[in-house]
Amino acid sequence: KAGVTQTPRYLIKTRGQQVTLSCSPISGHRSVSWYQQTPGQGLQFLFEYFSETQRNKGNFPGRFSGRQFSNSRSEMNVSTLELGDSALYLCASSLVRGTGSDTQYFGPGTRLTVL
Amino acid sequence: GDSVTQMEGPVTLSEEAFLTINCTYTATGYPSLFWYVQYPGEGLQLLLKATKADDKGSNKGFEATYRKETTSFHLEKGSVQVSDSAVYFCALSDKGSNTGNQFYFGTGTSLTVIP
Repeated sequence: KAGVTQTPRYLIKTRGQQVTLSCSPISGHRSVSWYQQTPGQGLQFLFEYFSETQRNKGNFPGRFSGRQFSNSRSEMNVSTLELGDSALYLCASSLVRGTGSDTQYFGPGTRLTVL
Repeated sequence: GDSVTQMEGPVTLSEEAFLTINCTYTATGYPSLFWYVQYPGEGLQLLLKATKADDKGSNKGFEATYRKETTSFHLEKGSVQVSDSAVYFCALSDKGSNTGNQFYFGTGTSLTVIP
């Protein structure tokens, strides 16, 4: 079974631009979560989508948004990029039946560098 | 709220030494507990998990026991190898809370094993 895939793997943008990252979950998984990882702040939760609905949201500004499609693929968008947005963005998928919790399986991440 | 507190690193050990990485948690419901490992340039990989009190998770020589009385989930390995050098994350998912499949991660512990 294929794992979680994320595209692109690396991105370089300049301040003020916007960026879209993509995540394809493991087949059959309906929950997709996004995290930002930086050396200073560690792993920070961005949001979780389940059946095309945002179910949880972390403490990030509105410049960070996401969506999930009917095939469970997810995208996250960051508008008006700032230098501090440079990070590894990780996507994780879970099987999750109903409202229960389940193991998260991570993709390799997208390394975003903002110049 | 839910949280995970993890032993600060970095940790440096000689090959074949015994490893312990401490992890304690706070949860409002009935958490599942996890250890993830991250190798350089990669996403997080599930190492082991335990879903209820007194369960022991194990994988690749690593073990952790879910201790409800001490709210702990310490990671241990009897004899580390150079290939175990990585960052280790303790995490919880609280099934009893109304937060979907949100995970709470510790800050990570960097382990370096020297020959």
